[in-house]
Amino acid sequence: AQSVTQPDIHITVSEGASLELRCNYSYGATPYLFWYVQSPGQGLQLLLKYFSGDTLVQGIKGFEAEFKRSQSSFNLRKPSVHWSDAAEYFCAVEGNYGQNFVFGPGTRLSVLP
Amino acid sequence: NAGVTQTPKFQVLKTGQSMTLQCAQDMNHEYMSWYRQDPGMGLRLIHYSVGAGITDQGEVPNGYNVSRSTTEDFPLRLLSAAPSQTSVYFCAISDRDRRKQYFGPGTRLTVT
Repeated sequence: AQSVTQPDIHITVSEGASLELRCNYSYGATPYLFWYVQSPGQGLQLLLKYFSGDTLVQGIKGFEAEFKRSQSSFNLRKPSVHWSDAAEYFCAVEGNYGQNFVFGPGTRLSVLP
Repeated sequence: NAGVTQTPKFQVLKTGQSMTLQCAQDMNHEYMSWYRQDPGMGLRLIHYSVGAGITDQGEVPNGYNVSRSTTEDFPLRLLSAAPSQTSVYFCAISDRDRRKQYFGPGTRLTVT
């Protein structure tokens, strides 16, 4: 069965610092991979997705992610974090049920001024 | 959250009560799903539908029923609420090739 792990429950970075959020997945075939962001009390917003092709994917809000098949990873990066990036981030992989997803447990990002 | 509405935003139930969480979309997407979100567990799929008249179970379906009589609506029914169903519930829609997915704003449910 598909699974997603996000090893870091909570990360704190200073504003302006670089960020990398880790995601590892288990999937039998070429995966469809996603990163979502959830601000407090809000729904989920899609940051970026990987379906095929170039392994470095650009998303909204200056985020990017790199698919590494050999490491079963899809880490999210941002070169300079803004205070508004404080939120919870979820990695997801396409699940067994077709159009649906298996989500990781999430990583909460705090940003220090 | 464009095009996906969920009602109510908040609900408190007593154990054993029943209720229906509403999800509606105006984007004519075929695929609709219900997830529950619990701390430290991400989102888990409850039920999903690939079109009107077609529904199926996800990862955690027990205690929930769904129906899909129209493309627009996908209600989630709790038949006899239990404290374990205290959670935040999200409805999601997607088009056929999954390249566009949207989540509703969520319903926060507390069962006492």
